[in-house]
Amino acid sequence: SQQGEEDPQALSIQEGENATMNCSYKTSINNLQWYRQNSGRGLVHLILIRSNEREKHSGRLRVTLDTSKKSSSLLITASRAADTASYFCATDRSNFGNEKLTFGTGTRLTIIP
Amino acid sequence: EAQVTQNPRYLITVTGKKLTVTCSQNMNHEYMSWYRQDPGLGLRQIYYSMNVEVTDKGDVPEGYKVSRKEKRNFPLILESPSPNQTSLYFCASSFVVGTGELFFGEGSRLTVL
Repeated sequence: SQQGEEDPQALSIQEGENATMNCSYKTSINNLQWYRQNSGRGLVHLILIRSNEREKHSGRLRVTLDTSKKSSSLLITASRAADTASYFCATDRSNFGNEKLTFGTGTRLTIIP
Repeated sequence: EAQVTQNPRYLITVTGKKLTVTCSQNMNHEYMSWYRQDPGLGLRQIYYSMNVEVTDKGDVPEGYKVSRKEKRNFPLILESPSPNQTSLYFCASSFVVGTGELFFGEGSRLTVL
C-alpha cells in the first residue's frame, strides 16, 4: 500500500513562479525525504526532514513537516525550466536504516519558459 | 565517480526466459534495494539488503530473487519472467547509518512479451 501520496498529480507553472507540492502519509515516520526524477531517469535525493523538525531549507527548496496532520510540503521558489521533473516524497518507517522507505506516486511538475 | 550501475539498461525478453539485472555500487554502502516503477503506482520496493548475506522482502517480492554475496553487488533475478513484470527497475544504495540519502541507478527498462 502507498504510504505517501503526493498532491497534485501534475502541476504546470510559468518560469519564475513558486511551485508547491504536498505529501500525505498514514503512519508515524522517522523522517521524510523528497526526491526528483527527470523523465525516466534515476531518482535524485533533494532533502530530508526528520520527524522532530518542522521546516528545512536547501537553496531554493523549502520543506515543511506537520506530523499531527501527517503531511509535508515541498516549495520550490523562483522556478526554472530545469526544475521540470517528477517529485516524490518518501516516508521512512525503518528501525535501522532505509529498509522501510516507501515512495509516493509523485507530482509531475512542468515549468513553462 | 560515486555511482550505482545497472545492466542492462533496456531488455526485451519472452515469458519464462530467466534473466538477471545486475547492480553494482562503488560507495561501500551496506544497504542496497530494488524498486520497480509503474505508471500510477510510484516506486514499490521488491527486495532489500542490509549487508552481505542479509536480504529481506519488500512490498512486491513475488517472482523475484536476489543475492548479496559481495558488498558492492546486488543482482535481481527473474527466474521465469511474466508480462506483469514489464516495468522500469531501479537499484539504490545507501549507508545504513547516515544521512538516509538513497543513491539510485539509471534504471533498467524491462519488457516481457
